[in-house]
Amino acid sequence: EPEVTQTPSHQVTQMGQEVILRCVPISNHLYFYWYRQILGQKVEFLVSFYNNEISEKSEIFDDQFSVERPDGSNFTLKIRSTKLEDSAMYFCASSVLGAGETQYFGPGTRLLVL
Amino acid sequence: KNEVEQSPQNLTAQEGEFITINCSYSVGISALHWLQQHPGGGIVSLFMLSSGKKKHGRLIATINIQEKHSSLHITASHPRDSAVYICAVTQGGSEKLVFGKGTKLTVNP
Repeated sequence: EPEVTQTPSHQVTQMGQEVILRCVPISNHLYFYWYRQILGQKVEFLVSFYNNEISEKSEIFDDQFSVERPDGSNFTLKIRSTKLEDSAMYFCASSVLGAGETQYFGPGTRLLVL
Repeated sequence: KNEVEQSPQNLTAQEGEFITINCSYSVGISALHWLQQHPGGGIVSLFMLSSGKKKHGRLIATINIQEKHSSLHITASHPRDSAVYICAVTQGGSEKLVFGKGTKLTVNP
C-alpha cells in the first residue's frame, strides 16, 4: 500500500541552524501538508500546498519557514534559523484532493533544537 | 476559529469492554476525522465523516451535526487498541485539520 515517507526520522540541531525536513507524498496525491506536534500538545497545522504554491498557512508559519516541491516527488519544509521552541515532531501529510478528503500522514521527523 | 474538545482525556479499560470517546466542536464543519496515534508517534486516519455513521471492523464513528458532536466506539476492546485517539475537523473550503488534544486509551489484558 502506498505511504507517505519522511526523512530523517530524528534530527538534532543547534539553535540558529537551518534544517530541511523531507517528505515523499503518495504519488497520485495533489495536496500536501505540514503539521507539527510539540511534546505533550495537540497537533497543529502549519501549511498546505497545492499546484506548486502555498494554499493556506497558519500564524505559526512565519518567515522562518518555507516549503518547496523541488522535483516531482519530494516536498520539503525548511526552517531557516531554528529556535528552541521549534523542537517538535513534524508530520507531512498528503491527500488526493483538498478539503473534505482523508489525509495520509507520514511517520514524522522528531526535531530537537539545542 | 473552531475549538475541538475531547473527553475523556484518559481512559483505562479491561480487554473486551465497550469504549466510547467523545468529541465536540464549536463551529459548523465540512468533515470530522478520527485518527489514531501510536506510542511511536505515527498518525493513522480511521474515519472521515460528515453525517451519520461509519463502521470499520470493531470501530464505529457517529456524528450529530445539529449537536456538533461525534463519538468513536470500540467494541470488544483489545490491548492492541491502546493508543491516542484524536478528533479533528475541517471547515468550509479549508483543507487544514484542526485537532483536539486526543484521548489516551489503555486497554489492559
